[in-house]
Amino acid sequence: DQQVKQNSPSLSVQEGRISILNCDYTNSMFDYFLWYKKYPAEGPTFLISISSIKDKNEDGRFTVFLNKSAKHLSLHIVPSQPGDSAVYFCAASAFGAQKLVFGQGTRLTINP
Amino acid sequence: EPEVTQTPSHQVTQMGQEVILRCVPISNHLYFYWYRQILGQKVEFLVSFYNNEISEKSEIFDDQFSVERPDGSNFTLKIRSTKLEDSAMYFCASLGQSSGANVLTFGAGSRLTVL
Repeated sequence: DQQVKQNSPSLSVQEGRISILNCDYTNSMFDYFLWYKKYPAEGPTFLISISSIKDKNEDGRFTVFLNKSAKHLSLHIVPSQPGDSAVYFCAASAFGAQKLVFGQGTRLTINP
Repeated sequence: EPEVTQTPSHQVTQMGQEVILRCVPISNHLYFYWYRQILGQKVEFLVSFYNNEISEKSEIFDDQFSVERPDGSNFTLKIRSTKLEDSAMYFCASLGQSSGANVLTFGAGSRLTVL
């Protein structure tokens, strides 16, 4: 039951360019979305979130866009830096539920 | 910055043995979680815990699993009789607020290897 899907297992981007990571969801009850970043041998770390009442949230180099009608969200990183190389997980939760459902992750590699 | 700490970082065990993974959540958090990630796969929800009881569990969290908060700080995951397929990274998390939004903060994980 893949309620949250990240269809690209990997993405390679040149340093300084924009990285766009995509995520789709199927559960219309989801109303809160987060992106987590994970380095090897570490736990996921929170990056940025967005509530379903918004369509965009920006924090420095990171912007998350939400398209509710398409049940799609994306994370934009600009400019991309080598330290951004990690696995990025999209996660979602439904109102009243206190758990996150994760996507499969996308491994982002930033090339110098 | 407050963090979730997990021990051990790596445990190797024989199939059929009991394993206890330990976590110290962030002190003022009230909801606690265990997630796991089998190598190369997604992070999967196991169980959530609130007010000294399980609030939700997944179908992965069968009778072989249990959680406990034996004192005011530790939160443990016990696997009674480990199977090969229990080999995974196990992440503890606790729920708090960041800039007004609910955010799960994860520990660094405990790698379990079942032989």
